[in-house]
Amino acid sequence: GAVVSQHPSWVICKSGTSVKIECRSLDFQATTMFWYRQFPKQSLMLMATSNEGSKATYEQGVEKDKFLINHASLTLSTLTVTSAHPEDSSFYICSALRWGVNEQFFGPGTRLTVL
Amino acid sequence: QKEVEQNSGPLSVPEGAIASLNCTYSDRGSQSFFWYRQYSGKSPELIMFIYSNGDKEDGRFTAQLNKASQYVSLLIRDSQPSDSATYLCAVRRGNAGKSTFGDGTTLTVKP
Repeated sequence: GAVVSQHPSWVICKSGTSVKIECRSLDFQATTMFWYRQFPKQSLMLMATSNEGSKATYEQGVEKDKFLINHASLTLSTLTVTSAHPEDSSFYICSALRWGVNEQFFGPGTRLTVL
Repeated sequence: QKEVEQNSGPLSVPEGAIASLNCTYSDRGSQSFFWYRQYSGKSPELIMFIYSNGDKEDGRFTAQLNKASQYVSLLIRDSQPSDSATYLCAVRRGNAGKSTFGDGTTLTVKP
């Protein structure tokens, strides 16, 4: 099956610092990757859609200057949370859309805690 | 009205029973329908997808789609305690692009 990895799986940082989260499709090419955020006991919230080689499309209310997304290759997308604050503490999950296959595969998620 | 609606639950069934999870959607142009399972603290995992009206069976799971009624369901036969999780319904218009997720239904299977 298709495997999507995320790194790191968890991170604790100080307020004001930036954190980069990597999302990789390990055994397939992903033309599109999605970034979600999920607060405890709440539903998935789509933050942005990332297409390889082009700018990400952000959902309404998501600050593109705060959540920087780079999709540099068909197997790697990164999300950088800039100047993180405690309210950014959440579970960040990426998913990849496998080209030619109509299925979306999720990474294991990254738990971010901002002190 | 949300684009994808699910009963939040919790839905509780005894072990061995059939669990029935329901989902309605508002976009008549939706073509692809997915069910994901999410354990607490984990990311979602795909259980089943269905594109055509009718039933699709995979092991203990059966997805049912009725496009006229804009309704998709998931049946879990012989429910096990390990099936206890939140089940997410997702719909998509085309073969690419973003899916719209429901808020999920929490299922508890009691031994």
